[in-house]
Formats: sequence, C-alpha cells, structure tokens
Amino acid sequence: KNEVEQSPQNLTAQEGEFITINCSYSVGISALHWLQQHPGGGIVSLFMLSSGKKKHGRLIATINIQEKHSSLHITASHPRDSAVYICAIVKVWNTDKLIFGTGTRLQVFP
Amino acid sequence: NAGVTQTPKFQVLKTGQSMTLQCAQDMNHEYMSWYRQDPGMGLRLIHYSVGAGITDQGEVPNGYNVSRSTTEDFPLRLLSAAPSQTSVYFCASSPGTGANYEQYFGPGTRLTVT
Repeated sequence: KNEVEQSPQNLTAQEGEFITINCSYSVGISALHWLQQHPGGGIVSLFMLSSGKKKHGRLIATINIQEKHSSLHITASHPRDSAVYICAIVKVWNTDKLIFGTGTRLQVFP
Repeated sequence: NAGVTQTPKFQVLKTGQSMTLQCAQDMNHEYMSWYRQDPGMGLRLIHYSVGAGITDQGEVPNGYNVSRSTTEDFPLRLLSAAPSQTSVYFCASSPGTGANYEQYFGPGTRLTVT
C-alpha cells in the first residue's frame, strides 16, 4: 500500500471554480510538501507544511496531523493553473528522504 | 542564479551503454538528490547527498552510481543502460541537510534506452 495517497487522480474544472486536492498519508511525518508540475515537465515547490495552514496568492494548503491529511485549495481557478499537483511527505524517523504521491492532474477550462 | 541545471535534456542510449547525467546548482545547497519519474508512479528517489563527500542510496539505486566531490555538482552515472531505465530524471537541491526544506528541481532529462 502506498504511504501517500492523493485524490482525485484527475480533475477538470471551469475557470473561476474552487478546487480542492487531497493528500492522505499513513505514517508519522515531520513535514509535507506540495509541488506543481507544469505541462512542460518542470517541477516547482508550492508549500512545505508541518502544521496549520499556509496561503500564497490564490493557493491555500492545510494539514491535519491527527487525521494524517492535507488539502491544497485553489480559489478562482484559471486555465494557467492546469498542471499536475504532487504531495510528498518526510517521515519523522527518516528526514533525508521525500516520499511522493502519484499526483493529481488538474485541467481548468475557460 | 541559474538554480538547478541538468544536462542533457534528452538522450537516447542503446542497451549496455554507459553515460553520466549532469546536475549542478549555484545556490550553495547542501542537499542534492536524484529522482526518476515513470508513468503512473510517483517520483522515486535514486540517490541523495547531504553534503560534499557524502552520498547514500534511495529507494531505487540499482544500476546507478553517484559521487559528490563538490557542493555544486552531483552527477548520476548509468553503468550499463537497460530498457527499464527509460524514464525522466530529475535532480533537486535544498538549502538544509535533509528533506525538511524547500526543494528546487532541475528541468529534467528524458532518457530512452533501446
């Protein structure tokens, strides 16, 4: 069983919609990363969380350590948000390594 | 700053050939890592380094070697290429000595082994 599960695998939305992508994990963690992979393949870091909530522009990331769950929200979605969103965890007893989910492919249509 | 650079962008190899994928960063980051990305699977760690002179194996190290003689460079060597090594390879770095820091990724190398 994968230690990191993302849902949904694929998501389509109309421009302006509120988007939620979920990440669940099964082990104790010291941090969780949200990454964005552009259609051209490049990967950029969006957030790193160990508790609570972070916001950057239209993106909001939350984490609930007790429930082992994180969400990435996109408000007022735009076609340029179309990308693959990847969740990755750092296990509490092995902080040298990232363990990745398989990603959520988001397409936002005008 | 150029950030994390990788060369080449694309490479085709024949089975049994060897080659080196180059990765360099100009941010003085201690932590560097190599991942492979295959369809339907998450990124998987091949090797990583927490500083010059120190390397360790990740999840899928077989068939790959690394060295870290300088802070800037972290090359990945394929010893004898196999079709199973067809993949997209990403190098990443971060300012700390582990994965609890923001990660900076290179643009990737698409490798095909025939």
